[in-house]
Amino acid sequence: DQQVKQNSPSLSVQEGRISILNCDYTNSMFDYFLWYKKYPAEGPTFLISISSIKDKNEDGRFTVFLNKSAKHLSLHIVPSQPGDSAVYFCAAILISNFGNEKLTFGTGTRLTIIP
Amino acid sequence: EAQVTQNPRYLITVTGKKLTVTCSQNMNHEYMSWYRQDPGLGLRQIYYSMNVEVTDKGDVPEGYKVSRKEKRNFPLILESPSPNQTSLYFCASSLRPGQGNYGYTFGSGTRLTVV
Repeated sequence: DQQVKQNSPSLSVQEGRISILNCDYTNSMFDYFLWYKKYPAEGPTFLISISSIKDKNEDGRFTVFLNKSAKHLSLHIVPSQPGDSAVYFCAAILISNFGNEKLTFGTGTRLTIIP
Repeated sequence: EAQVTQNPRYLITVTGKKLTVTCSQNMNHEYMSWYRQDPGLGLRQIYYSMNVEVTDKGDVPEGYKVSRKEKRNFPLILESPSPNQTSLYFCASSLRPGQGNYGYTFGSGTRLTVV
C-alpha cells in the first residue's frame, strides 16, 4: 500500500520558469512532510520540510505547500535552474506516541530543466 | 563537515556470506535509519533507531539486523545475504522533530550485489 504517491514520473520545465512537483498521501496522521533531491550515485539531499500544522514553508527558491483537506503537498522551485535537474522525492513522517519515527518515501519525479 | 559516512560504497558478495555495512554520523543526531532503493519502488525503510540501544523495524526488515551501541554508529548486518538483497542502500540520520531545520541527512549509498 503506497501511502505517499508521486503520480508524475517525470517533468520538464524551461529554465527560469516555475517547477511544481506534486505529492499525494493517504494517511491523515502524518506529522511532517519533506522534500529531497537526488542525483545518480549520491544520497538524497534534504531540501525543505513542513509540519502538518502549517500550510506553507519557504526557503530561498523552494516553497512547500500543504493542503491537508486534499492530502496533497507540492514543491515550487522558482526560478528553475539547470542544476535543479534531478529526481525529487517527497516523504512523510509518522511519529508514534512513544516518539518512534517512520519515514515513508514517494517513488520520485524526475525533473529536467531545459536551458 | 557535517556528514553521514557509509562504507563500503560498492560490495559484491556471495549468497550466505555474512556482511556488515557501516554507517557513522558526526552531527550528534539521535535518529538513524537504513533504506534500500530499488527500481520502481523508491526508498523503503529497513530499520530505524531512536537512540542508543533503541531500534525498531521499518517496512522491509526481513533478512537484516542492526545495532546501535553508540550514538554515532548504526551498522547494517546481513547474516546470510541472498540475491534479492541486491540493492542500493542508504543510511540517514536526523535531529528530533522541531529541532532546527528538521530533515534527514543521507549518506552517499552502498551498492550491494549478492551473487
